[in-house]
Amino acid sequence: GESVGLHLPTLSVQEGDNSIINCAYSNSASDYFIWYKQESGKGPQFIIDIRSNMDKRQGQRVTVLLNKTVKHLSLQIAATQPGDSAVYFCAEKAGNQFYFGTGTSLTVIP
Amino acid sequence: GAVVSQHPSWVICKSGTSVKIECRSLDFQATTMFWYRQFPKQSLMLMATSNEGSKATYEQGVEKDKFLINHASLTLSTLTVTSAHPEDSSFYICSARRGGTQETQYFGPGTRLLVL
Repeated sequence: GESVGLHLPTLSVQEGDNSIINCAYSNSASDYFIWYKQESGKGPQFIIDIRSNMDKRQGQRVTVLLNKTVKHLSLQIAATQPGDSAVYFCAEKAGNQFYFGTGTSLTVIP
Repeated sequence: GAVVSQHPSWVICKSGTSVKIECRSLDFQATTMFWYRQFPKQSLMLMATSNEGSKATYEQGVEKDKFLINHASLTLSTLTVTSAHPEDSSFYICSARRGGTQETQYFGPGTRLLVL
């Protein structure tokens, strides 16, 4: 049948605060994960990735945490800025397939 | 990071015409390319997976005769929306998978299609 897109959950944070965006995945065989940022009217932009043999990976102002026990992935953004306002979604790779989360819409309040 | 381009970035066409969208990986060879469509405030919907030199694999519910995909080279895939109708108006995004141990997937900037 025809697939239907899902509406996005939202998160609002004050400028300067830290943001935490969560993602649950279902496939225990997933071995590679990516976080993307999508601004309005633009394509998704790669932010950070992590392999399943790691628990944590840090980038510039961003940290990804992976908890394989509960199949949970999180993206932490430090000192959130107005330019961070966007939709963030995770992707998991299992075998040869990527599966994308529905995304979270982050709004930064000045 | 790897760069994926799309052309055109937006297009307005009359109902019944066909529209071709190009997706190019600019600085790497893409073993696989993907086509998505996205409605406002909704998640990406995978339409088809395209491998160079072979037929695309379409997701359930996607008409392959309406959305023609050609993956002529390791850096170029095209999506042609044939006999476009207003309900085909959407944001179409391609992505390209870079090979290697991680096979990271990079997205293009998207093409906004408006069918009048």
